[in-house]
Amino acid sequence: ELKVEQNPLFLSMQEGKNYTIYCNYSTTSDRLYWYRQDPGKSLESLFVLLSNGAVKQEGRLMASLDTKARLSTLHITAAVHDLSATYFCAVDRGEKLTFGTGTRLTIIP
Amino acid sequence: DVKVTQSSRYLVKRTGEKVFLECVQDMDHENMFWYRQDPGLGLRLIYFSYDVKMKEKGDIPEGYSVSREKKERFSLILESASTNQTSMYLCASRLDRGRYEQYFGPGTRLTVT
Repeated sequence: ELKVEQNPLFLSMQEGKNYTIYCNYSTTSDRLYWYRQDPGKSLESLFVLLSNGAVKQEGRLMASLDTKARLSTLHITAAVHDLSATYFCAVDRGEKLTFGTGTRLTIIP
Repeated sequence: DVKVTQSSRYLVKRTGEKVFLECVQDMDHENMFWYRQDPGLGLRLIYFSYDVKMKEKGDIPEGYSVSREKKERFSLILESASTNQTSMYLCASRLDRGRYEQYFGPGTRLTVT
């Protein structure tokens, strides 16, 4: 059974700081996705990572995938308040996705 | 723009009632999915469908059934609602198996009393 673990589960950061969210998974997959969810809203796709070594960047967020280590990271650079949300990684099992438990990120002024 | 809509944002039902949650997508997507989201557990897949009249069990299908009579519509049915089915329910769609990205609806927060 595929397990997807995110850490930390909760993260409070000051504006301007850098931090990384980690997503570990237990079985082989070479496709992984990152989603964002604002309170009371649905999930919004952030990144689609389709191969080992894939790196995608959008604004202050950068995601990477290491399929050999079964690890993806979401790096936040110089955090701003607008990035406060819950972030989920999801591992592609071919037919379905398995989601991590999410990381609730709060950016403090 | 892909649009996935769900019939209700909030729903309150009594234990034992039959509950229908409807999901409609407007982009001719072949694949549709139902998830439930609970704090600390992330999203868990209940059922999915590759095409009209096709359905597959996800990770937690017990207590649920689904119906897909038309391509754009995927219904989740709770035959006899129970309090442990109180949750946020999210519908998603994807163009087909070869396309990776899933698009999510706004969610239905169901409370069973």
